[in-house]
Amino acid sequence: DAKTTQPNSMESNEEEPVHLPCNHSTISGTDYIHWYRQLPSQGPEYVIHGLTSNVNNRMASLAIAEDRKSSTLILHRATLRDAAVYYCILSGSGGSNYKLTFGKGTLLTVNP
Amino acid sequence: NAGVTQTPKFQVLKTGQSMTLQCAQDMNHNSMYWYRQDPGMGLRLIYYSASEGTTDKGEVPNGYNVSRLNKREFSLRLESAAPSQTSVYFCASIPNPGLTYEQYFGPGTRLTVT
Repeated sequence: DAKTTQPNSMESNEEEPVHLPCNHSTISGTDYIHWYRQLPSQGPEYVIHGLTSNVNNRMASLAIAEDRKSSTLILHRATLRDAAVYYCILSGSGGSNYKLTFGKGTLLTVNP
Repeated sequence: NAGVTQTPKFQVLKTGQSMTLQCAQDMNHNSMYWYRQDPGMGLRLIYYSASEGTTDKGEVPNGYNVSRLNKREFSLRLESAAPSQTSVYFCASIPNPGLTYEQYFGPGTRLTVT
């Protein structure tokens, strides 16, 4: 299975943009890139996913490198509520064998 | 819509005791998953069920059994609990892998085995 590499922790200030990096140099052509986050004492929640093109939704943006060996999750204006562990995960395209493998993620601290 | 619900929220077991963790979803999702999360670690997949009537092992299945009782419910059983199974257990579901990619998680069950 292709693996991802993320920094253990990052810090940001409230109302500033945050760029969370993820390296996945062994990604295969059919692997999707997913981002989940886990707020303290809660289950993970879906943030965004993409395959090749950059993606935007109400929570964040996902920028995918042209060679797909890295990606960046962008929070446009961090709030205190965005303090969480962010996981970058690769998965196959779906079907009966679809599953996610979580690493340790990046702990994001947001300073007021 | 309650989403994904898990019972109990907390449980303390003695070594050797058995118990079943319950998970239910009311979103008509096809696939369901059980994960465990140890302190400071990411989630590890224990078992999953791609659809009603099927189950498959994940990364760490030893010491656990599962039952996909129907489309809504997916239970995880510890037959003889061990201290190494002290963890937070999360259940998740997804409508149709390959058509959608958002996995929905329950609030978790905190299990302590003494």
